Amino acid sequence: DAGVTQSPTHLIKTRGQQVTLRCSPKSGHDTVSWYQQALGQGPQFIFQYYEEEERQRGNFPDRFSGHQFPNYSSELNVNALLLGDSALYLCASSLLPPSYSYEQYFGPGTRLTVT
Amino acid sequence: GDSVTQMEGPVTLSEEAFLTINCTYTATGYPSLFWYVQYPGEGLQLLLKATKADDKGSNKGFEATYRKETTSFHLEKGSVQVSDSAVYFCALHTDKLIFGTGTRLQVFP
Repeated sequence: DAGVTQSPTHLIKTRGQQVTLRCSPKSGHDTVSWYQQALGQGPQFIFQYYEEEERQRGNFPDRFSGHQFPNYSSELNVNALLLGDSALYLCASSLLPPSYSYEQYFGPGTRLTVT
Repeated sequence: GDSVTQMEGPVTLSEEAFLTINCTYTATGYPSLFWYVQYPGEGLQLLLKATKADDKGSNKGFEATYRKETTSFHLEKGSVQVSDSAVYFCALHTDKLIFGTGTRLQVFP
């Protein structure tokens, strides 16, 4: 059973550029959430996708956008990159509706470096 | 808003020592509580969870009890191993998953 996969593993971009990160959820999962983890910090919730729509969003600017495809895979897009966007981007999958024992499975992450 | 506060690290222990990592939370409603572990170069793995007051989550020798009266979910292990060296994150879920800043554990032989 394949777990959550993410691509690419590492990415280096220049300030002002745009980037797309990809995620395939664990088999059987229909919901994908994205997190940003800055160095030495805990993950911060960006947004969550279910049925190809953004279901919930954290405190991130509109430069961060996403998409979910009919096969439940997802993309995270970041426009006009800033140096502060350098972080590990984590994708997590789960099932909805969440029960009170809400549980997410995380991928290994994409390390984005903005220079 | 909802938040999680963890003790700062690093926590440095000798093998077979007793481990406690403190975690307290602030939340409206009744959150589910989690401990995640992140090994070097890897993503997060769920270590244990508890969904209601007085529940005890346990896995791989680690335990944590959901204490509503003290809004705490402290992680404990009776005898740590070198392989337990990692960063541990406490988290809560109400309408979204909120993490603490993490506590690095270093275990030496």
